[in-house]
Amino acid sequence: EAQVTQNPRYLITVTGKKLTVTCSQNMNHEYMSWYRQDPGLGLRQIYYSMNVEVTDKGDVPEGYKVSRKEKRNFPLILESPSPNQTSLYFCASRSYITQGVQFFGPGTRLTVL
Amino acid sequence: RKEVEQDPGPFNVPEGATVAFNCTYSNSASQSFFWYRQDCRKEPKLLMSVYSSGNEDGRFTAQLNRASQYISLLIRDSKLSDSATYLCVVNMRDDKIIFGKGTRLHILP
Repeated sequence: EAQVTQNPRYLITVTGKKLTVTCSQNMNHEYMSWYRQDPGLGLRQIYYSMNVEVTDKGDVPEGYKVSRKEKRNFPLILESPSPNQTSLYFCASRSYITQGVQFFGPGTRLTVL
Repeated sequence: RKEVEQDPGPFNVPEGATVAFNCTYSNSASQSFFWYRQDCRKEPKLLMSVYSSGNEDGRFTAQLNRASQYISLLIRDSKLSDSATYLCVVNMRDDKIIFGKGTRLHILP
């Protein structure tokens, strides 16, 4: 089954404790992105990657890191989480060919205390 | 002006009614257009692409008006299961994807 998976689905952590949210897709997509969704603000792109070893900042990259060592994986790293990073996070992937058609993971609900 | 604007709603509509909402975009270089559906606390999923000639998928009809820079979504014979947030999505010529903040729809029994 074609899908995007994220782990963990739910996470409660404390300020400053480094965490990684994993994202994996099995559709051989070139593009992968991370978004956060907050009430009233909609989906905002954090980082994106156009292919292996190619990453770039989205609209709200501060406080986040990413890497793309393999085509299928695109982990999101919070080196020192803060309460303002409490949010619902989505990973998404798409191919070059089907522009705009994105497949989203199920989401990770992160709470930073 | 925001790049993609939608009426946040909520639209409260009785079951069986027809409902329509629009989305406006500011950049005339926008290349392709989509409607996504998002259920509460779930991931967005593609509902349909929007073509210049307009397109229909069952009870759903999407239209694009490039001259006025808006797209629309019409839902006929609405069902309780249509209750969701509908996101307007614009793909730019530089391949950037911009999401609207969504329109909430509640179908009432």
